Amino acid sequence: EAGVTQFPSHSVIEKGQTVTLRCDPISGHDNLYWYRRVMGKEIKFLLHFVKESKQDESGMPNNRFLAERTGGTYSTLKVQPAELEDSGVYFCASSLTGPYGYTFGSGTRLTVV
Amino acid sequence: DQQVKQNSPSLSVQEGRISILNCDYTNSMFDYFLWYKKYPAEGPTFLISISSIKDKNEDGRFTVFLNKSAKHLSLHIVPSQPGDSAVYFCAASAGTYKYIFGTGTRLKVLA
Repeated sequence: EAGVTQFPSHSVIEKGQTVTLRCDPISGHDNLYWYRRVMGKEIKFLLHFVKESKQDESGMPNNRFLAERTGGTYSTLKVQPAELEDSGVYFCASSLTGPYGYTFGSGTRLTVV
Repeated sequence: DQQVKQNSPSLSVQEGRISILNCDYTNSMFDYFLWYKKYPAEGPTFLISISSIKDKNEDGRFTVFLNKSAKHLSLHIVPSQPGDSAVYFCAASAGTYKYIFGTGTRLKVLA
């Protein structure tokens, strides 16, 4: 079984540019999550999809962040325009049912310069 | 305000000895707790969990203890192995799909 896959693994962009991160969850997993870890701090929740619906987006920092999950399969997280404080590692995770120990991807390291 | 705290940023232990990683929380509504392990350039990997109705859960070399009155949980690794060297994150949820993570403790097991 393939794990959670994230693209790209690294991205370096200039302030003001747009970046789109992609996450492919484990096949069949209805629940998809985005988290972010900034500067070695805690891993913070961004949002949760159930299939294509946003179940909880309480952790999204502001309206520069847009997450989509068309068709309930892969998800994208777009940052537009990027700011310096958006730098960090963005993790995607998925689970089949329930919140009990979901599976994380390797993350996308975003650096805004 | 951080609801899940891991006050020790790092810990070094000799191979074969016990590693004890600690985690404190403030939200009494948390009912499920997890430990994740993270190697460099990889995502967190689920290790072990415990429900608030229990005070101990064991899986091989890993045991998690929960003290609800103290709002404290700990992860014991016995015996510690060099491959256990990683960053360990404590996480909690309050009946939802959202996890609240601590800042992590870097464990180094010395051969």
